[in-house]
Amino acid sequence: DTAVSQTPKYLVTQMGNDKSIKCEQNLGHDTMYWYKQDSKKFLKIMFSYNNKELIINETVPNRFSPKSPDKAHLNLHINSLELGDSAVYFCASSQRGTGTEAFFGQGTRLTVV
Amino acid sequence: QKEVEQDPGPLSVPEGAIVSLNCTYSNSAFQYFMWYRQYSRKGPELLMYTYSSGNKEDGRFTAQVDKSSKYISLFIRDSQPSDSATYLCAMNFGNEKLTFGTGTRLTIIP
Repeated sequence: DTAVSQTPKYLVTQMGNDKSIKCEQNLGHDTMYWYKQDSKKFLKIMFSYNNKELIINETVPNRFSPKSPDKAHLNLHINSLELGDSAVYFCASSQRGTGTEAFFGQGTRLTVV
Repeated sequence: QKEVEQDPGPLSVPEGAIVSLNCTYSNSAFQYFMWYRQYSRKGPELLMYTYSSGNKEDGRFTAQVDKSSKYISLFIRDSQPSDSATYLCAMNFGNEKLTFGTGTRLTIIP
């Protein structure tokens, strides 16, 4: 049973389109995250939710909108996609608190053409 | 300057060697220090974490934190080809936000 699962695994789309990535965790964790990993492998946090409440919102364009329908799910919707949005997006989860022991999904490789 | 600096490598060592991976950081308020391993086309997986200064050992892996020098290390003993991956250090202030290094790509040569 996959602990943190993301769909889709690959996403190729044209500039200007709107797309969504879905994430689900079955670990019973309180906190979920979206991270972006660029072509140089640098991993940077975008958002964090705790029990459906947004607790971290880094400097991310407002074209990116996370949504957490419940504490086991965190989706990421991206409007008006740009070439620079091409990256691997990782969902992760952890227990509330120190943020240690975060479990990551397999990633969604987004390519904007 | 990034908050967390990590030599990107690549680093190639023969099988059986001891591997030393390092990160430096600038913010002395960091409290928790983690090492993640990331295989190609996979998500990062947590190897170890330590709180504040000191050492922690888990099998072939040893993590060291020196807060006075703002320097952390991961040692891998008896390295195996299956250890070939990118190793990412990460740290936080005791909250949910992890700050990552850029990762070191490691190859163990059989």
